[in-house]
Amino acid sequence: AQSVTQLDSHVSVSEGTPVLLRCNYSSSYSPSLFWYVQHPNKGLQLLLKYTSAATLVKGINGFEAEFKKSETSFHLTKPSAHMSDAAEYFCVVSDIRGSYIPTFGRGTSLIVHP
Amino acid sequence: EAGVAQSPRYKIIEKRQSVAFWCNPISGHATLYWYQQILGQGPKLLIQFQNNGVVDDSQLPKDRFSAERLKGVDSTLKIQPAKLEDSAVYLCASSLDPQDLGQFFGPGTRLTVL
Repeated sequence: AQSVTQLDSHVSVSEGTPVLLRCNYSSSYSPSLFWYVQHPNKGLQLLLKYTSAATLVKGINGFEAEFKKSETSFHLTKPSAHMSDAAEYFCVVSDIRGSYIPTFGRGTSLIVHP
Repeated sequence: EAGVAQSPRYKIIEKRQSVAFWCNPISGHATLYWYQQILGQGPKLLIQFQNNGVVDDSQLPKDRFSAERLKGVDSTLKIQPAKLEDSAVYLCASSLDPQDLGQFFGPGTRLTVL
């Protein structure tokens, strides 16, 4: 069965410093992987997705993620944090065996200090 | 392009009462999802429809929850009778292609059971 683990419940950074949000997955088949962002009192928004094409995926707002099959990881990064990046981030995995039924991680809260 | 619509946005009920939520997906999206998001947790998939057929409802508490998508377009999720632990945000999402395109989420319905 597929599963996803977000290794940090909270990540705190200063504005202008790099962001790293960690995600490890478990899947028996070639997975599709996604990162979503949820700002306070707003809906979930797709940041980026990996679907077996390029392993380095670029998303919106300067975020990117790298699919590493050997490490079963899909970490989200951004070179320089902005105050507006403060939000909850969710890593999601789905695979063909599961009919692409998505499994969400528990979420990582990104805190950005001025 | 109109997004995923949900109503109501907020609902407060007493335990043992019934409640229904409505979702209208993005036009043309065959896949529709209902999630339950309890405060501080990631969304949990309750049911996934492909057109008007159920793809997965393994996490739907079928003794009290029901969902339908009769014409393959909009959908209704019902809880009868509600319990205190049903207090959560209920999210609806839709997708054109779950493997490649990810999901588009509605704003959610915040349910409080007293």
